[in-house]
Amino acid sequence: AQTVTQSQPEMSVQEAETVTLSCTYDTSENNYYLFWYKQPPSRQMILVIRQEAYKQQNATENRFSVNFQKAAKSFSLKISDSQLGDTAMYFCAFMKIRSGNTPLVFGKGTRLSVIA
Amino acid sequence: DAGVTQSPTHLIKTRGQHVTLRCSPISGHKSVSWYQQVLGQGPQFIFQYYEKEERGRGNFPDRFSARQFPNYSSELNVNALLLGDSALYLCASSPNAGQLSNQPQHFGDGTRLSIL
Repeated sequence: AQTVTQSQPEMSVQEAETVTLSCTYDTSENNYYLFWYKQPPSRQMILVIRQEAYKQQNATENRFSVNFQKAAKSFSLKISDSQLGDTAMYFCAFMKIRSGNTPLVFGKGTRLSVIA
Repeated sequence: DAGVTQSPTHLIKTRGQHVTLRCSPISGHKSVSWYQQVLGQGPQFIFQYYEKEERGRGNFPDRFSARQFPNYSSELNVNALLLGDSALYLCASSPNAGQLSNQPQHFGDGTRLSIL
């Protein structure tokens, strides 16, 4: 079974600074997706960024980027130029690539507070 | 286009009752998944349906059941409610299931279920 671990329950960062959220996972699969989802108090789960395991290049979406280390099974999220609107719960998630049942496996989340 | 819509947004029930939660996927999406998110935790997979067939079930008791209709909308039913069923229930849709698609799951705002 796959497991996802987020070791930082809470983090804070000053507005305009950079913060990195950690995520490690355990799997015997070779092909899979990794995701970071953001859940603000409005509670909708919003996709932030996605990484395909077969791609060596780290994914980037505007101020969000990942450091994907497949051998180490590590998938950290870097938020640059932090904004007040980035305040939310952040969940790391894993999904196998195959037909049929492919649920997301989530970590317990990191609560990020951006301070003005 | 409308996103994933869930109803109701909030629900209060008492122990022993049953509940039906509803989800309408994004237009064109054929796969619907249900997740339970207990306060302070990441979402846990309950069911995945694709083309009206159950494709996967998480580690939940038989009190939990679901179905998908010809228009791809879905219902989650929970019988004999327990206090521990209090949670945010999230529905997610994607165009296909697993390997057939490289599109991530899109989540609705969830139904907050409180058991008294």
